[in-house]
Amino acid sequence: EVQLVESGGGLVKPGGSLRLSCAASKFTFSSYTMNWVRQAPGKGLEWVSSISISSTYISYADSVKGRFTVSRDNAKNSLYLQMNSLRAEDTAVYYCAREVGYSGTYSLDYWGQGTLVTVSS
Amino acid sequence: DIQVTQSPSSLSASVGDRVTITCRASQGISNGLSWYQQKPGQAPTLLIYAASSLQSGVPSRFSGSGSGTDFTLTISSLQPADVATYYCLQDYTPPFTFGGGTKVEIK
Repeated sequence: EVQLVESGGGLVKPGGSLRLSCAASKFTFSSYTMNWVRQAPGKGLEWVSSISISSTYISYADSVKGRFTVSRDNAKNSLYLQMNSLRAEDTAVYYCAREVGYSGTYSLDYWGQGTLVTVSS
Repeated sequence: DIQVTQSPSSLSASVGDRVTITCRASQGISNGLSWYQQKPGQAPTLLIYAASSLQSGVPSRFSGSGSGTDFTLTISSLQPADVATYYCLQDYTPPFTFGGGTKVEIK
């Protein structure tokens, strides 16, 4: 079965940086657009970013634009999220999710278990 | 950006009841909406894609409908295993946007 395993979370001070990774297995990673979604403690889901198969198309939520950078390495079956200038409001569990297309629509059919990022002094 | 308003934010119903959750998009998104279930301490799972298509392995008591701006997730007969928070996602065009969530409990 498809596996997505996030890592790299932890405690970081405001203004600091962190790089998240998502290791993919049991599917052809290079054939799928990938997404990052986050969830602040006790709150709802927030879409963060997506990156297409060849990294040609990249999108960000307004809340992270200019601070976060998504990338992927298809040779290593890995997805990354470089997070700079972190703020307290970035505290959340970060999930990576596989995107699948169907007749012009998209959905997130597999999710990792998430990695917790805490931004606090 | 497209906004998505989900209602209600919570509901309590009896086992066997029919439950309906609604999402409204701020502009037309065709059938670009999916539904997710999240149980406490777990990652979300996909229930419905393209507004009305049932994801493989999801019980048939779940169904989705709608197009354009108004969408509905229906649980035809609520079961204890359905206690969870449900989210819709506008996946018609980036930036994608989630609804605020609906927490479903058993009365």
